[in-house]
Amino acid sequence: DTGVSQNPRHKITKRGQNVTFRCDPISEHNRLYWYRQTLGQGPEFLTYFQNEAQLEKSRLLSDRFSAERPKGSFSTLEIQRTEQGDSAMYLCASSFPQAPINPGELFFGEGSRLTVL
Amino acid sequence: AQKVTQAQTEISVVEKEDVTLDCVYETRDTTYYLFWYKQPPSGELVFLIRRNSFDEQNEISGRYSWNFQKSTSSFNFTITASQVVDSAVYFCALSETGFQKLVFGTGTRLLVSP
Repeated sequence: DTGVSQNPRHKITKRGQNVTFRCDPISEHNRLYWYRQTLGQGPEFLTYFQNEAQLEKSRLLSDRFSAERPKGSFSTLEIQRTEQGDSAMYLCASSFPQAPINPGELFFGEGSRLTVL
Repeated sequence: AQKVTQAQTEISVVEKEDVTLDCVYETRDTTYYLFWYKQPPSGELVFLIRRNSFDEQNEISGRYSWNFQKSTSSFNFTITASQVVDSAVYFCALSETGFQKLVFGTGTRLLVSP
C-alpha cells in the first residue's frame, strides 16, 4: 500500500498520560500536514512540514502538543498530559510541493482516533 | 479571515436522484483555490475536485459537476444519478495564496438509499 499510513488507528488513554501518533507519508511527497477532526466537524489545521522543517503551527497546537519530522520522512505527533478535550481524530496528509503542481491536493491517511477517559 | 459554510447538515436521496451540495466561502484574498473532499465511513478524506479563483467556468467530470460563482461566493457540487457508494460526508474547503493549509467546512452527510 503506497498511501499515507497512520499508527495507531485507535488509542484509548487516561487523562494525564502522554500519547504519540506516527504518520508515514507517500514517499515522494515532501509536505506533511496534521489536522484534527472532532465529531461532526471538518478537519482543523494543526501544523505542516516541508521536508524536516516545521513551517506553520496553528494556535490550536498548545504547548502540550509537539510534532516532529526527522529526516523529512515520517512524522510524529505527541500530546503530553492529555485532557478529555483532546479526544478527536488526528489526520495526517501529505502532498507534493504546491503550485503549480496540484495545489491543495492533499492525500490523507485514515486517521488516528484518540479517546481520553 | 477565511471561513467555509456548509449549511446542509445531512441530505437523504434515493439512488439515481441528482443531489447538490452547497458551499459558501469567505476570504479576503483575490487568489485562492476551492475544493471538495469526500470522507467515506473508513475515515480517509479523498480529493474530488479543485477550482481556482480565476476560473469561473463550470465543469463536468463524470457524474460530478460544480458551479462556482464569485459574485455570491458559492461553490456548489452536484452528483448526477447518485449511487449508494456516494454515501459519505462531503467537505468543501478553501486554500488561500501560498496554499499552506486548507480551511474546511463542517461537512454535509449524504445518504443514498437503494
